[in-house]
Amino acid sequence: DAGVIQSPRHEVTEMGQEVTLRCKPISGHNSLFWYRQTMMRGLELLIYFNNNVPIDDSGMPEDRFSAKMPNASFSTLKIQPSEPRDSAVYFCASSWTGHTDTQYFGPGTRLTVL
Amino acid sequence: QKEVEQNSGPLSVPEGAIASLNCTYSDRGSQSFFWYRQYSGKSPELIMFIYSNGDKEDGRFTAQLNKASQYVSLLIRDSQPSDSATYLCAAQYSSASKIIFGSGTRLSIRP
Repeated sequence: DAGVIQSPRHEVTEMGQEVTLRCKPISGHNSLFWYRQTMMRGLELLIYFNNNVPIDDSGMPEDRFSAKMPNASFSTLKIQPSEPRDSAVYFCASSWTGHTDTQYFGPGTRLTVL
Repeated sequence: QKEVEQNSGPLSVPEGAIASLNCTYSDRGSQSFFWYRQYSGKSPELIMFIYSNGDKEDGRFTAQLNKASQYVSLLIRDSQPSDSATYLCAAQYSSASKIIFGSGTRLSIRP
C-alpha cells in the first residue's frame, strides 16, 4: 500500500520565483493536510481539506500561499512569489476522518529559497 | 488559542530504563490524543492514540491520559538507542477538527 506521496523531495529556488508542491494522499482517505515545519516554529498546520473542500485555511501565512485539491487524489500548495523565510520542510498528510482520524505523513518537501 | 505544551528537552535516558514524556493541553474539550515519533530528517509517524482516561499499552509503549488534569504522557519501557527521536504530542477537539501539535520533546537514549 503506497503511503502519501509528495514531490519534489527537494526544491531550491530563488526569491521571487513560483514554487509548486504536490501531494497524492493515501487512496480512500477523505482528509488532506498541509503542514510546514521549521526549527523555530515547529510543525504548523497551513490548511486542511475534507472531501476536497478547504475546511480551515487559517494557518496560511499570507496571500502568497494558495492550495488546491481538484480531486480526491491530488493536491497542490503554491507559493508565489517565494521568499527566503518560506524555507522549511513542507509535509502533506492524509487521514480517514470519522474513522480514527490518524494522520499519515508524506516524506516532505525540503524547500530552500535563496 | 488552543495549545499543546511539551518540554523541548533533550531528555537523556540510559538504555534499558523507562523514558517518560509529558504533554499538557489547553482545550478542556479535547477528545483525542496522539503521540508521533519523528527521526531527524524524516516525517512524523504515529506511535499511539488514546481517547479514554487511563492507560493504553502497546508493546513497550504506554500512553496515559488524565482529562481532569489535562495531561497526556508516553512511557517507553526498556528504552533502546533506536528510540532516540523527537516525540510530538497532539490533541484533537473532535472528529474532523484539526489536530494541534506540540513542539516536540527530543529524547536521547544513551548506551
